[in-house]
Amino acid sequence: AQSVTQLGSHVSVSEGALVLLRCNYSSSVPPYLFWYVQYPNQGLQLLLKYTSAATLVKGINGFEAEFKKSETSFHLTKPSAHMSDAAEYFCAVTAASGGSYIPTFGRGTSLIVHP
Amino acid sequence: KAGVTQTPRYLIKTRGQQVTLSCSPISGHRSVSWYQQTPGQGLQFLFEYFSETQRNKGNFPGRFSGRQFSNSRSEMNVSTLELGDSALYLCASHDAANTEAFFGQGTRLTVV
Repeated sequence: AQSVTQLGSHVSVSEGALVLLRCNYSSSVPPYLFWYVQYPNQGLQLLLKYTSAATLVKGINGFEAEFKKSETSFHLTKPSAHMSDAAEYFCAVTAASGGSYIPTFGRGTSLIVHP
Repeated sequence: KAGVTQTPRYLIKTRGQQVTLSCSPISGHRSVSWYQQTPGQGLQFLFEYFSETQRNKGNFPGRFSGRQFSNSRSEMNVSTLELGDSALYLCASHDAANTEAFFGQGTRLTVV
């Protein structure tokens, strides 16, 4: 079984400030981890993924995340927030089960960027 | 390469009616999964189809059903609609060799 906890349903930052969105996971087998972004009334777009290669993963739009097994965390960061980063962010964990890789999602974190 | 296509984008239905949503996966992808997204419950897994067979199922009542065709296109059906079925329904396709889920734009269902 696997689960994801995203700390903070809303995170507010100023434009140009550091973005930190927290994600902790639970998985009984080595996980694959993902961050997705969702804009209003749109589907989910993959930002980055960890699949047991490098622990520091770089994604699109300047985002990166670090896999820390000892802390069971996969926090998402971006050095400098832009207004266009305002969206809903979802952390997800998946592991092989009967040939499937069905992700389990966190509840999401809404990123608010102030000018 | 075309992405995942969901139709229609928006639907308004009346309580008690039924609805069918469609999803065309990325060419070559044989696995399709469906999710319901609501503000209160977040993203909840409905079911997954692979090679026309339901391979995994979430915890939803029998009013929610689906199927997959030989060309991997999938449909989901909700019968006897309830107000609580109002949600964004997302479809995702997966390549069997790839752990990543590729999502469509979703269908916004409103039940009145």
